[in-house]
Amino acid sequence: NAGVTQTPKFQVLKTGQSMTLQCAQDMNHEYMSWYRQDPGMGLRLIHYSVGAGITDQGEVPNGYNVSRSTTEDFPLRLLSAAPSQTSVYFCASSYSGLAETYNEQFFGPGTRLTVL
Amino acid sequence: SQQGEEDPQALSIQEGENATMNCSYKTSINNLQWYRQNSGRGLVHLILIRSNEREKHSGRLRVTLDTSKKSSSLLITASRAADTASYFCATYKAAGNKLTFGGGTRVLVKP
Repeated sequence: NAGVTQTPKFQVLKTGQSMTLQCAQDMNHEYMSWYRQDPGMGLRLIHYSVGAGITDQGEVPNGYNVSRSTTEDFPLRLLSAAPSQTSVYFCASSYSGLAETYNEQFFGPGTRLTVL
Repeated sequence: SQQGEEDPQALSIQEGENATMNCSYKTSINNLQWYRQNSGRGLVHLILIRSNEREKHSGRLRVTLDTSKKSSSLLITASRAADTASYFCATYKAAGNKLTFGGGTRVLVKP
């Protein structure tokens, strides 16, 4: 199993550009999520999904869109990049997001994004 | 705002010593998890402790949870240089179905 994969690893954008960060998992996990990590801030949840066709907002959703058309893929779209979105982005998945069976999250290697 | 707050923010110890870090949180939780992050890498799950558990062990790791004080501790015994990393606590609440991370503790183990 490849686990959780993210592409690209690095990206530089100009203010106002749009792009999609890709995330895929091959573990048949229902729950997937996107976090951003800024220095000294830990990880903050952007969006998450409890299954195909279902998404919801996290702590910092503004400026980002997600969709979940398949169990495997959970892309994150930046609509109009801003310097404040310079960060490292992590995708994660887990078997289930339900309270009774919530398990560990598996993280991808991250995408380092710089917006000029 | 962050649910979990780790203390200390940074820790430097000699190889073979024990490392202890603490996590405090503000509201009731269903479980608390600890993760490790090596520099430039993604997070790796270490251990999960449920709200009805008080202590859990995994290899050289020992985690405690005190729900009355809303705090948890992670102890790494007989530390090794390879334990050098950032350690994060994360709290899970069923209401909202989200995992909330703290700011992390940076641990440096000197050989």
